[in-house]
Amino acid sequence: KAGVTQTPRYLIKTRGQQVTLSCSPISGHRSVSWYQQTPGQGLQFLFEYFSETQRNKGNFPGRFSGRQFSNSRSEMNVSTLELGDSALYLCASSMGLAAQETQYFGPGTRLLVL
Amino acid sequence: QKEVEQNSGPLSVPEGAIASLNCTYSDRGSQSFFWYRQYSGKSPELIMFIYSNGDKEDGRFTAQLNKASQYVSLLIRDSQPSDSATYLCAVIWYNNNDMRFGAGTRLTVKP
Repeated sequence: KAGVTQTPRYLIKTRGQQVTLSCSPISGHRSVSWYQQTPGQGLQFLFEYFSETQRNKGNFPGRFSGRQFSNSRSEMNVSTLELGDSALYLCASSMGLAAQETQYFGPGTRLLVL
Repeated sequence: QKEVEQNSGPLSVPEGAIASLNCTYSDRGSQSFFWYRQYSGKSPELIMFIYSNGDKEDGRFTAQLNKASQYVSLLIRDSQPSDSATYLCAVIWYNNNDMRFGAGTRLTVKP
């Protein structure tokens, strides 16, 4: 079975721009969670989507948004980028809700905001 | 108090020794606990999970859970240089489907 895939793997943007990241879960998995990882803050939960609905949301500003499609693929969008948004963005998929099933992480998208 | 706390390390042990990694958490109801390993520049990978008090062994890894003291630990026996990584503790609280990660402990196993 193919693992979780994320595109792009690396991205460089400038302040004020917006960015869209994509995540394809493991086949059969219906939940996709997004995380931001930085050296200072560690792994922080952004949001979780299950069956095209946002089920859980972390403590991030409204500039961070996401959606999930009927094939469970998910996208995350960050608008009006700030320098502090530079991070590794990880998505993880699970068969059911992340709180009830084992999550498997993708390789991440490394975003650099200049 | 953070909901999931880990000593950031670095923790350094010699090859062949036992590495002990600890994690404390806030008690907010029914929980499950996960240990992930993350190599530098890679994404986290699940090592093991534990739900019940006591020990759970899987190869060289043992997870220990003590709910009364609100801590979960991971022991790595016969540590190898390839075990050098950051170990993340994650807690799920079932009452509100909330999942949180600790900041991780960086482990170095010296040959």
